[in-house]
Amino acid sequence: GAVVSQHPSWVICKSGTSVKIECRSLDFQATTMFWYRQFPKQSLMLMATSNEGSKATYEQGVEKDKFLINHASLTLSTLTVTSAHPEDSSFYICSASSPGQGSAGANVLTFGAGSRLTVL
Amino acid sequence: GENVEQHPSTLSVQEGDSAVIKCTYSDSASNYFPWYKQELGKRPQLIIDIRSNVGEKKDQRIAVTLNKTAKHFSLHITETQPEDSAVYFCAARRNTGGFKTIFGAGTRLFVKA
Repeated sequence: GAVVSQHPSWVICKSGTSVKIECRSLDFQATTMFWYRQFPKQSLMLMATSNEGSKATYEQGVEKDKFLINHASLTLSTLTVTSAHPEDSSFYICSASSPGQGSAGANVLTFGAGSRLTVL
Repeated sequence: GENVEQHPSTLSVQEGDSAVIKCTYSDSASNYFPWYKQELGKRPQLIIDIRSNVGEKKDQRIAVTLNKTAKHFSLHITETQPEDSAVYFCAARRNTGGFKTIFGAGTRLFVKA
C-alpha cells in the first residue's frame, strides 16, 4: 500500500530557531499533501494544503509566514516552523492523497508517522 | 466553513459489546467519509470509508452508515475486543477544492476485558 515517510520523528529546539519537517510519498506521486497539527488528546487540525509547484493554501488562523510550506517535487513537501516558540510545541503530521485505494476508487489520505516538536 | 462534529468524546464498553460513534458534517458538498483509528503514539490508519452514493458499508466487525439528507454518519463496531481500544476519527471530504479532509474531534474508545 501507499507509504508516507515523515522526518524527523521528534525534534527539540531552542526558542527562536527554525525547524524543518519533511514529508515524502515513497511509492506514489502526490500533487497535493496536507499538514495537520495535533495537540495532546485532540483532533487533527488542518493547517494547510501543500500544492506541488505552487503556493500552499493555508487554513484560516494559520500564519503562512510562521509555517512555511514548500512542495518542490511530486514526492516531497516540507514544513518549516520559523522562529519557533514554546507555544509551537506540538505534533505535526503530514498526509498525502494516494490514488484509488479507497471506497469505489476514492483517493485515500495516508499519514506520515508525525513529528513531535518541543520548543524550549 | 466546513465542520465535523463527533460524539461521544469518550466511550467505554465491555469486551464483546458494540460501540457506536456518530458524526455530523456541515458541508453539503462533502461526498467521501473516511474513518481513521489512531493508537497511542501512532499515525492514524484508515479503517473504513464510504462514499455519498452509498448508505451503508460493512467490513467484518465494523460498519459505517450514512444519511446524506441529515448529514449524519456513524461507525459501528460489533463484538469489541481490547485491541479495538484507540482514538477514532471521522472525517468528511469534498472532491473539489484540493480534496482537503476535515476531521471530527475524535472518540477515545476503551474496551474493558
